[in-house]
Amino acid sequence: DAKTTQPPSMDCAEGRAANLPCNHSTISGNEYVYWYRQIHSQGPQYIIHGLKNNETNEMASLIITEDRKSSTLILPHATLRDTAVYYCIVFPPGAGNNRKLIWGLGTSLAVNP
Amino acid sequence: DTGVSQDPRHKITKRGQNVTFRCDPISEHNRLYWYRQTLGQGPEFLTYFQNEAQLEKSRLLSDRFSAERPKGSFSTLEIQRTEQGDSAMYLCASSPTGWHTEAFFGQGTRLTVV
Repeated sequence: DAKTTQPPSMDCAEGRAANLPCNHSTISGNEYVYWYRQIHSQGPQYIIHGLKNNETNEMASLIITEDRKSSTLILPHATLRDTAVYYCIVFPPGAGNNRKLIWGLGTSLAVNP
Repeated sequence: DTGVSQDPRHKITKRGQNVTFRCDPISEHNRLYWYRQTLGQGPEFLTYFQNEAQLEKSRLLSDRFSAERPKGSFSTLEIQRTEQGDSAMYLCASSPTGWHTEAFFGQGTRLTVV
């Protein structure tokens, strides 16, 4: 079973920030939070990951609560091309540990014009 | 394009036929993964290679499924005696050496068994 809980769907207006929440209340101390997205009929795409500090890259920002039981992915200026299913995944680092990715159902984000 | 490449993108086959899919990972990546994804679900892990060695197989990988990575570069996934339940998207991903690396996915091969 997936170790994360996400809302099944969200809407966002184009140009506004999209804030996607994720609950991972059973996260272990060595587990990282990863976010991937999957645009329709394409393979998943890595977005960002973090352990306990907030992270930012050219795609998004990741805010992790101090107790690490939840996080929020922020797309600062959503565009129509950001319409996708967003997956929040927690797993420990290690050689080949991408085999342990347990994907839930994700959040289907619709960015509206 | 230097990303992960999968071929074919789509495959329709009759039940009972054998099919083979190919994955070309990013050239410097020594780790390769196969996943399966059915409609409306997240990907499920099938098997993992480090170089040419197949290090782990999921229990989802029945004896009709076999995967190879003969020279540690491209990989093939073969399904024998296909069943309708095999209809899914088959995703390949690769990642570089390192303790903490993300997976880079191909576009997938969509299999339809009729």
